[in-house]
Amino acid sequence: QKEVEQNSGPLSVPEGAIASLNCTYSDRGSQSFFWYRQYSGKSPELIMSIYSNGDKEDGRFTAQLNKASQYVSLLIRDSQPSDSATYLCAVKGSTDSWGKLQFGAGTQVVVTP
Amino acid sequence: DAGVIQSPRHEVTEMGQEVTLRCKPISGHNSLFWYRQTMMRGLELLIYFNNNVPIDDSGMPEDRFSAKMPNASFSTLKIQPSEPRDSAVYFCASSLVPVGNTIYFGEGSWLTVV
Repeated sequence: QKEVEQNSGPLSVPEGAIASLNCTYSDRGSQSFFWYRQYSGKSPELIMSIYSNGDKEDGRFTAQLNKASQYVSLLIRDSQPSDSATYLCAVKGSTDSWGKLQFGAGTQVVVTP
Repeated sequence: DAGVIQSPRHEVTEMGQEVTLRCKPISGHNSLFWYRQTMMRGLELLIYFNNNVPIDDSGMPEDRFSAKMPNASFSTLKIQPSEPRDSAVYFCASSLVPVGNTIYFGEGSWLTVV
């Protein structure tokens, strides 16, 4: 079983709609969670971090964390063609050194005009 | 500010040759990571340095891979001898821990072994 799991997609979203991305993790003691965006041929870049249960909003992005269910999600509101990318979920495990992250395989999002 | 700088950006080499990838982390960062990304396996951590000391090299696939960090501003990842299955994008990343959680990635080195 992979430590961080994501649906690979592609997730097709009409422009202006909400994209919903899901991630589950196996280490119940994990405390730090991140979403990275990776455009094709580019490197991953951090877009959101979340550490406490509940929602965290940053512009059009909302991260949601439920530690009891070992689930973290990312919502992209008013999706734009520029949001078309692969979104990587990353988790710092309970026994991982500070700064070490486990990455999911990523969900490809395609926003259609 | 300069980000993480990697070289070469693209490398095509023949099987059996030695490959050396280079990385300059962000100035002031104390942690450096080497990741490998493939379609099949996604983004995998190969090795992690903190204050120039290797902390976790459990992701290094085999003895053909080695990494060094002789000082705070430079690291190398070497593959000798290279094999076609080593073809991947190799990312170097750096971070300042425990102050920040953000890992900043370089642009990657695209390696093709033929």
